This record gives sequence, structure tokens and C-alpha cells, in this order.
Amino acid sequence: KQEVTQIPAALSVPEGENLVLNCSFTDSAIYNLQWFRQDPGKGLTSLLLIQSSQREQTSGRLNASLDKSSGRSTLYIAASQPGDSATYLCAVKGGQGAQKLVFGQGTRLTINP
Amino acid sequence: DTEVTQTPKHLVMGMTNKKSLKCEQHMGHRAMYWYKQKAKKPPELMFVYSYEKLSINESVPSRFSPECPNSSLLNLHLHALQPEDSALYLCASSQGQGARYNSPLHFGNGTRLTVT
Repeated sequence: KQEVTQIPAALSVPEGENLVLNCSFTDSAIYNLQWFRQDPGKGLTSLLLIQSSQREQTSGRLNASLDKSSGRSTLYIAASQPGDSATYLCAVKGGQGAQKLVFGQGTRLTINP
Repeated sequence: DTEVTQTPKHLVMGMTNKKSLKCEQHMGHRAMYWYKQKAKKPPELMFVYSYEKLSINESVPSRFSPECPNSSLLNLHLHALQPEDSALYLCASSQGQGARYNSPLHFGNGTRLTVT
């Protein structure tokens, strides 16, 4: 059974810092990995999707990497802003449970002005 | 703004009530999903519809009844719910469900359900 882990559970950094969020998964036979952000009381917003054949994806200040062999992904946020404060979730599709997205528990990020 | 629209935003219902949650998307997606999310937890999959047919039911109690009237609409009918069913109910859609679809999942903003 695919398991997805995100560490740390919460992170607080001053504005302007670059930061990295981590995601690990147990079954490397994935089709893709998605990063989402969720603001309190809202739905999930898709940030980046990395296909299994890709190593990274970039969107603005966000860069996501994927290392299938080690079962890891990172989300790099450059020059963090208070508006980046949210919960960030990663989810993988594939492995056992191939038809479904398996979510991590999320990292709650706070950017302090 | 989200491209998946859910109504209502908030719903309070008693344990004997019958209510429905509605979800709509106009992106031409052929897979639609219902998720349940409790506070500080990730979403849990409930149902998946693919090409308007139910393809996954994650052993959800029968007091939750999904319906997909057409490719743009998804309903969740609620009956005789329990207080522990209080949660944020999220609808999502994607181009397709199967392994060959490497497309992102798009979520609505959810319905906050309180069962009293």
C-alpha cells in the first residue's frame, strides 16, 4: 500500500527566505506527483504536477523536483511572502492504489512579516 | 476563482434531514470525485465517477448516495447522517481517471457540513 509522508508537519519562517518542503513515498511505481496548497476553509489549489518521466517542474517562484528511485519530492519556494502561508499537500498517483491519489498529511507553512 | 463550483458553501442539517450537495464543472473533464476532509487531515476519497459511471466507492456508508446526471454535474445525496459526518466535502474533477491521464486534479472550495 502506497504511503506518503510530509515532514515537517509545520514550518514558520521569516518573509524573504527560500524554503524547501519535503514529501516521501514508499512505492516508486508512480504515474505522477502533485503539489497542492490549501488555505483555511478552502479547497485545494493545484500548484505543480510532475509526471513520472520528469525530474522537475517550475511555476513562478515554485520549483518541484522528483526523484522516483529514492521516493522523494521537494517543493522549493523562493523569496517567501506572507501570502504563501497555507497548508501544502503532496499527492501521488500510482503504485498500489494506482487509480487513486494518495495524499500526505501536509505541511502547515507560516511566513512571518 | 475555482473552475469547479460547489453549492451550498455551508449546510447545517439534523440527523433526520435529507439534503444534497451539488458540484459543477465546465472544463470538459470526464472524471469527477467526492472527497471528505476533517480538520487538519488530508482529503479522503469517497467516490469516483468516470464517464458518468461510478468507478470507485471507497466503502462509504449508504447514507451517502452519489449521482452523476451528466458529464458536468455531480451530486451527493445525504440522508440520516451522524454528527461524526460533519466535515468539509470537496468535489474535484480531472480529464480522466485512468493511469494514462497525467492531468491535475481541480478542486472546488467545498461545502462545510454540520450535522446536529
